[in-house]
Amino acid sequence: GENVEQHPSTLSVQEGDSAVIKCTYSDSASNYFPWYKQELGKRPQLIIDIRSNVGEKKDQRIAVTLNKTAKHFSLHITETQPEDSAVYFCAAASGTYKYIFGTGTRLKVLA
Amino acid sequence: ETGVTQTPRHLVMGMTNKKSLKCEQHLGHNAMYWYKQSAKKPLELMFVYNFKEQTENNSVPSRFSPECPNSSHLFLHLHTLQPEDSALYLCASSQDAGPKEQFFGPGTRLTVL
Repeated sequence: GENVEQHPSTLSVQEGDSAVIKCTYSDSASNYFPWYKQELGKRPQLIIDIRSNVGEKKDQRIAVTLNKTAKHFSLHITETQPEDSAVYFCAAASGTYKYIFGTGTRLKVLA
Repeated sequence: ETGVTQTPRHLVMGMTNKKSLKCEQHLGHNAMYWYKQSAKKPLELMFVYNFKEQTENNSVPSRFSPECPNSSHLFLHLHTLQPEDSALYLCASSQDAGPKEQFFGPGTRLTVL
């Protein structure tokens, strides 16, 4: 079946450093790639998304890049802060009902 | 608040019990979803409703039975569950079913004894 692989599963960075999380998808029909942040005990919330007709998107300290040929997309967080500590999920979606999530990355930002 | 609420927040039940989870969205959306979140596993899509019609059932065991009486409410009826069904059950909604942002509820933490 279709799947999304996400790496790494855990990531620790010093405050102020950058963090990069990578995902690979298998369904070539995927055309929407959201990233969700889930803080401990809270619901997942969208932080940034990208569609297949765009290669890169930025929103302040957060950016997402997409390589359709390689079926890779990545989340980049610059100048990390302690409040960035959370679990981050990527997903790949297509059509009406396919919405496949990665296994998540637990990011720890060390003060 | 994202406008999606779930009750109860915590539920403990025996394998022979019958219980229901409730989800309500106040966002005017037309699509609603049930997900299962287990430790170290990806979010698993269980059911999709679009304009009150069930459009997707990802091979979910029949001991889970969804109900969508209107586009604002979604239920998950549970009966004769197994301990491995213990997980966080998340409800989500979106404008309509498709590749777009989903808004999640806070989840129901279910423990099956």
